[in-house]
This record gives sequence, structure tokens and C-alpha cells, in this order.
Amino acid sequence: KAGVTQTPRYLIKTRGQQVTLSCSPISGHRSVSWYQQTPGQGLQFLFEYFSETQRNKGNFPGRFSGRQFSNSRSEMNVSTLELGDSALYLCASSTVGTVLGEAFFGQGTRLTVV
Amino acid sequence: GQQLNQSPQSMFIQEGEDVSMNCTSSSIFNTWLWYKQDPGEGPVLLIALYKAGELTSNGRLTAQFGITRKDSFLNISASIPSDVGIYFCAGQSLNAGNNRKLIWGLGTSLAVNP
Repeated sequence: KAGVTQTPRYLIKTRGQQVTLSCSPISGHRSVSWYQQTPGQGLQFLFEYFSETQRNKGNFPGRFSGRQFSNSRSEMNVSTLELGDSALYLCASSTVGTVLGEAFFGQGTRLTVV
Repeated sequence: GQQLNQSPQSMFIQEGEDVSMNCTSSSIFNTWLWYKQDPGEGPVLLIALYKAGELTSNGRLTAQFGITRKDSFLNISASIPSDVGIYFCAGQSLNAGNNRKLIWGLGTSLAVNP
């Protein structure tokens, strides 16, 4: 069974640009969550999508957005990039039908803003 | 956002030593999860706990769900160099909308001296 796949693995962007990251969850998983991780920081929750609907949202500015498609694949978009957006962006998928589902992570996308 | 109190923040030990780390919360959780993250990779699930008092092992790892449902610990016995990494705890609660939400600790960075 394939794991969570995130693309691209690495990305370098310039301040002011926008970026789109992609996440393909484990087959059968309908919940996808996104996290931002910076050095020395824990995982900062961005948002969670389930069945194409945003179910939970963290405390990030509106420049951070996401969406989920009918095949459960998800994308997150960051507009007007700032230097502080440089981070490892992680996607996690989990099952539905139970409130006790475990989250499985992709390898992440390392975004560097210059 | 809400975070768990995870301690210690970092540990430097000799190979063969046992390791203990814990997480506490002011809130009650239904699930406790323990993850390990290697540099540049996404977190990997080590142990999932679903019931207060539950004690679960995974090889040299043992984790327990506190009986108050507000804490959990992870022990690693006879550490080896490949145990190096950052260990995260996560608690799962039901927010007002009955949606799952994971709350994360800031991580324990483990270094093992061969």
C-alpha cells in the first residue's frame, strides 16, 4: 500500500511569489491535514480537509489556503510569499469512520523563500 | 494554538541507556500518539494509545496512556544510535463539532553517543 506522497520535495521561491504544494493521501484515506514545521518548532496545524470540505483550521493568515479534490488529493497554496514562510510543509492522511484514526505523514515539501 | 507540554526538550545519552519522555495536557484526550521524525523526513507513527491506563510496546519502545487521560509517557530501552531523532507526542480530542483534532507537543530531541 503506497504511503502519503507529497510533491515537490524541494522548492525555492522568491518573496512575493505564490506556491502550490500537492499531497496524495493513502488510498482509502479521506482526511488530509497540513502542517508547517520550522527549525526548533513543533508541528503547526494549518488546516484539515475531509470530503472536499475544510473541517478544521489553524491560526494562519489568509495567504495560506487549501483544497481537496474528489479523489481525496489535496493542495495547499501560499500567496505573496514571505521569508518567514520558509519551512517544511507536511501533509498527513487518516481514515474516516472512526474518531480514533491515526495520522500518517508524507516526507514533506521543503520550501525555501529567498 | 493549543500545544502539549512535552519534556524534556532534548536529551543526550550514551548508547545502551534507557530513555523516558512525557507529555502533559490540561485537557482530556481520547487518543495519544507518539511519533519519531528523522531529519528532513515526515514523522513516523511509533505507538497509538486509545484507552486510559493502556500500556503498549513496540519493540524497545513502551508507551502508556495516563489514567487521568491528561498525560502519556514514552520509554525507550537500551538505546541505539538509530534512535536519534525528534520524538513528538500528539493528543486527539473531540472539538465542539465532534471532529477529531490533533494537538502536538514541541518534541524531544534525542542524541545517542555510541
